[in-house]
Amino acid sequence: DIQMTQSPSSLSASVGDRVTITCRASQSISGYLNWYQQKPGKAPKLLIYAASSLQTGVPSRFSGSGSGTDFTFTISSLKPEDFATYYCQHSYTTPTWTFGQGTKVEIK
Amino acid sequence: DVQVVESGGGLVQPGGSLRLSCVASGFMYSTHWMTWVRQAPGKGLEWVARIKHDGSEKYYVDSVKGRFIISRDNAKNSLYLQMNSLRAEDTGIYYCARVITMIGICSWLDPWGQGTLVTVSS
Repeated sequence: DIQMTQSPSSLSASVGDRVTITCRASQSISGYLNWYQQKPGKAPKLLIYAASSLQTGVPSRFSGSGSGTDFTFTISSLKPEDFATYYCQHSYTTPTWTFGQGTKVEIK
Repeated sequence: DVQVVESGGGLVQPGGSLRLSCVASGFMYSTHWMTWVRQAPGKGLEWVARIKHDGSEKYYVDSVKGRFIISRDNAKNSLYLQMNSLRAEDTGIYYCARVITMIGICSWLDPWGQGTLVTVSS
């Protein structure tokens, strides 16, 4: 099975900060990588699919990049509503899929 | 609106069974893979199972193989998860999600339902 290692597990940031989260796959997954946002008590929400494609309706301050084993998720200028937990997920052509451990973005 | 709505969660004793349901609306259900994802209390997301649009392929995370069965009824726009031999570690919120696939590019999960809570405890 492909393992996804996400870092950091948590971070503290201020409104307006640039935030970067990384996700590393245990083997190459090409661009089969997605990013989700989850707020407390809510279902996850798709933000980025296929490593760098922005889901319709998602603000452009969110972006993703990478291919192969190393991926990056960036919030260019943090807004109050962005404080949440973010997960990467691979959907490579293997039977099973996995999520990263999550990154909790907290207010500094 | 495109949406999926789960139901069927509840309290069950260890070793017991439970059947979760998910009803889809607003999209052509019979053309999409569907999936279940769970989240233990205070923990991260765990992919559980997925099923092909026609039910001909099913895949599971190792921890539920032989105990859980994913199925679907395309005539009813419905997805199911039959959970048997339940353990305390199966406790959590279970989410249903549509899989969108761009062949050769990627697959992703959207939308997600609100989830249904399963508690395995004596």
